[in-house]
Amino acid sequence: GAVVSQHPSWVICKSGTSVKIECRSLDFQATTMFWYRQFPKQSLMLMATSNEGSKATYEQGVEKDKFLINHASLTLSTLTVTSAHPEDSSFYICSARGQGAGPQHFGDGTRLSIL
Amino acid sequence: SQKIEQNSEALNIQEGKTATLTCNYTNYSPAYLQWYRQDPGRGPVFLLLIRENEKEKRKERLKVTFDTTLKQSLFHITASQPADSATYLCALGRGYQKVTFGIGTKLQVIP
Repeated sequence: GAVVSQHPSWVICKSGTSVKIECRSLDFQATTMFWYRQFPKQSLMLMATSNEGSKATYEQGVEKDKFLINHASLTLSTLTVTSAHPEDSSFYICSARGQGAGPQHFGDGTRLSIL
Repeated sequence: SQKIEQNSEALNIQEGKTATLTCNYTNYSPAYLQWYRQDPGRGPVFLLLIRENEKEKRKERLKVTFDTTLKQSLFHITASQPADSATYLCALGRGYQKVTFGIGTKLQVIP
């Protein structure tokens, strides 16, 4: 149980393109979803927290107009990187949590490369 | 600000031995602590959660301890296998607040 699917797993696109990443909880209702960014040999950096039906809460230093998050249902959250530039290239990972303060269940990440 | 320390150097261990990974924290009083496993290019996988009122928790070959006085958690893998080779992350949380992750320790089990 507790499977989270993240799609796509790998994206290469040109600078200026907008990229959408989907995160779905397949067998449970995700009250809260999290979006992380991870650089090589570094810890997970939380970008934002989203609760179903409400606006995402962004961490300090994360541009909300750059990284658009939508959590429209209890099983789906999306992250859109708008007008992506090479410095946005990274490994983006989503996670989902059911009700309560339990563990997070992670997707397999999206490797984003902006040329 | 809160700080989590995990030995970022790789830990090499012989197959069959017990691997022990350390997670120390400062400036925080977590209500719970979690351990995750992350393989290269993959998302973390949840392993164990231990609460502040629990001293020890086990799951198959895994054992976690939580010492709130020392502000430390130890993660043990007994009878380690090459398939246990991965990076192990500890994470601290309190209530519904966001969880903070450590940098992880890379474990290499040598056949």
